[in-house]
Amino acid sequence: AQKVTQAQTEISVVEKEDVTLDCVYETRDTTYYLFWYKQPPSGELVFLIRRNSFDEQNEISGRYSWNFQKSTSSFNFTITASQVVDSAVYFCALRGRSSGSARQLTFGSGTQLTVLP
Amino acid sequence: DTGVSQNPRHKITKRGQNVTFRCDPISEHNRLYWYRQTLGQGPEFLTYFQNEAQLEKSRLLSDRFSAERPKGSFSTLEIQRTEQGDSAMYLCASSLGQENTEAFFGQGTRLTVV
Repeated sequence: AQKVTQAQTEISVVEKEDVTLDCVYETRDTTYYLFWYKQPPSGELVFLIRRNSFDEQNEISGRYSWNFQKSTSSFNFTITASQVVDSAVYFCALRGRSSGSARQLTFGSGTQLTVLP
Repeated sequence: DTGVSQNPRHKITKRGQNVTFRCDPISEHNRLYWYRQTLGQGPEFLTYFQNEAQLEKSRLLSDRFSAERPKGSFSTLEIQRTEQGDSAMYLCASSLGQENTEAFFGQGTRLTVV
């Protein structure tokens, strides 16, 4: 069975602050894929990043950065110098390779980020 | 627009009625997924198609739910004899055939059963 836990239900920050969204996952698969999606009020899930389990190199893309630590089963997401437009619900998701999980995404319950002006 | 398209965006129906939703995936994507999302929760997997073949179905997909993907293009999700518990956002996603590719989501159909 797969599980994704996003312990932070809601986070509020003031614009220009840095914020880190936590994600912890469980899987028995040795190869798996991790994702982050953003869901603005319009409802559409917007893909942000995919990370393969065999690639632990952290990644930075503009104001976004991701810290993947296999030893602690965590895949955290940091927004630097947050902006009001970053306000959304952020989901961490996992896809394994074993039968029954190889195609479906297992999502966490999401973190509502509010960036105040 | 080459993204995933879902229709309608909103649907209000009376309990007991049947409803059908449509999803048009990104044209070159052979995988298509349906998810359901309730308020305050992450999306939950319902079913998956590889081309026209429905390969996986979640236990969440009761007998009142049926999905099709004729000719491996668009897909429909039908709910028969709707119940208030069916009220949710129904999301469609598509992806290429490789396992390490990301899925792209549509804007969803919000169903309200009154």
